[in-house]
Amino acid sequence: AQTVTQSQPEMSVQEAETVTLSCTYDTSENNYYLFWYKQPPSRQMILVIRQEAYKQQNATENRFSVNFQKAAKSFSLKISDSQLGDTAMYFCAFINTQGGSEKLVFGKGTKLTVNP
Amino acid sequence: DAGVIQSPRHEVTEMGQEVTLRCKPISGHDYLFWYRQTMMRGLELLIYFNNNVPIDDSGMPEDRFSAKMPNASFSTLKIQPSEPRDSAVYFCASSFTWHTELFFGEGSRLTVL
Repeated sequence: AQTVTQSQPEMSVQEAETVTLSCTYDTSENNYYLFWYKQPPSRQMILVIRQEAYKQQNATENRFSVNFQKAAKSFSLKISDSQLGDTAMYFCAFINTQGGSEKLVFGKGTKLTVNP
Repeated sequence: DAGVIQSPRHEVTEMGQEVTLRCKPISGHDYLFWYRQTMMRGLELLIYFNNNVPIDDSGMPEDRFSAKMPNASFSTLKIQPSEPRDSAVYFCASSFTWHTELFFGEGSRLTVL
């Protein structure tokens, strides 16, 4: 079974500093997609960043960037210049078409608190 | 676009009652997913549809759960009879294709007493 592991249940960071959230996954497939989703206290999940496994270049979206290590099956999220609005649960997610089923599998999440 | 619309936002019911959760996906999206979120189990995929056809329902906990998508703009998740352990937030999400961004609704918080 495909799994996504987020080893940090909770993290905190000071406003304006940088924080890195870790994620590892397990798959035997070569082509797949990875995502980071954010769930603020308002509850609605929104996409932060997306990475295609066949692309070696790490994805970047403004203050958010990833460190994608395919051989290590690692997909960490770096948030630079943290802002109070970044306080949320962050979920790492993985999808491929193994077995013909297109399932997006989520990790358990990391609760990030940005302190003023 | 209004995004994915779910109703109700909150539902409190008694054990044994039927619960129906509703979802309107974003127009033009071919995929629709139902997820359940609890503290203990995190986000679990219950079922997903492609072009209104159920593709994988292996995440549906038991026969008390059923989901339908009669047309491209509407889906329901039904629990009959409901039990306290069904208490959770149920999310509906839709996407253009299987590997593009999932757009989530605001969720339906279900409490079964």
